[in-house]
Amino acid sequence: DTAVSQTPKYLVTQMGNDKSIKCEQNLGHDTMYWYKQDSKKFLKIMFSYNNKELIINETVPNRFSPKSPDKAHLNLHINSLELGDSAVYFCASSRVGEQFFGPGTRLTVL
Amino acid sequence: QQQVKQSPQSLIVQKGGISIINCAYENTAFDYFPWYQQFPGKGPALLIAIRPDVSEKKEGRFTISFNKSAKQFSLHIMDSQPGDSATYFCAASKKGGADGLTFGKGTHLIIQP
Repeated sequence: DTAVSQTPKYLVTQMGNDKSIKCEQNLGHDTMYWYKQDSKKFLKIMFSYNNKELIINETVPNRFSPKSPDKAHLNLHINSLELGDSAVYFCASSRVGEQFFGPGTRLTVL
Repeated sequence: QQQVKQSPQSLIVQKGGISIINCAYENTAFDYFPWYQQFPGKGPALLIAIRPDVSEKKEGRFTISFNKSAKQFSLHIMDSQPGDSATYFCAASKKGGADGLTFGKGTHLIIQP
């Protein structure tokens, strides 16, 4: 059973488009996250969210927005995509510290 | 400002040898220090983690050594195997983890047969 899943695995799109990445966790965790891994493999936190609080990394453009329909899901919406948004995006979830990551979504903006 | 510094950037070790990766942190509010292993095309997988109330933690061939006064921690992989070849990331988070993990830049480890 997959603990943290993401769809799609690959996403290729044109500049200016709006896209979404879905994330689901079946671990019963309270907190979910989105991370961005750039071409040099550097991993950086974008958002953390539980049902009470959203914490946004101040460097994330407001074109990016997380949306949580319920405790098990945290989707990432990206508006007006730019070339620099090309990266691998990872969803993660945690309870009391330990974070478990999804398989990633490779976003390519042309 | 990079809050977690990791070295070396790449490392080649012979099969059966010891692989050592080092990290240093700046923020004294960090209280949880995990190591992640990532294979190409996969997500980071939690390998082992430590909190600052202990100086060492061992799980199988993997050991974390932690020096709170120096603000440094390291990963030792004993009897390194070709299957250990991957990218390793150290990370740190504050109490509760609400701010997420702050990662080092990663170490590309190659174990030569």
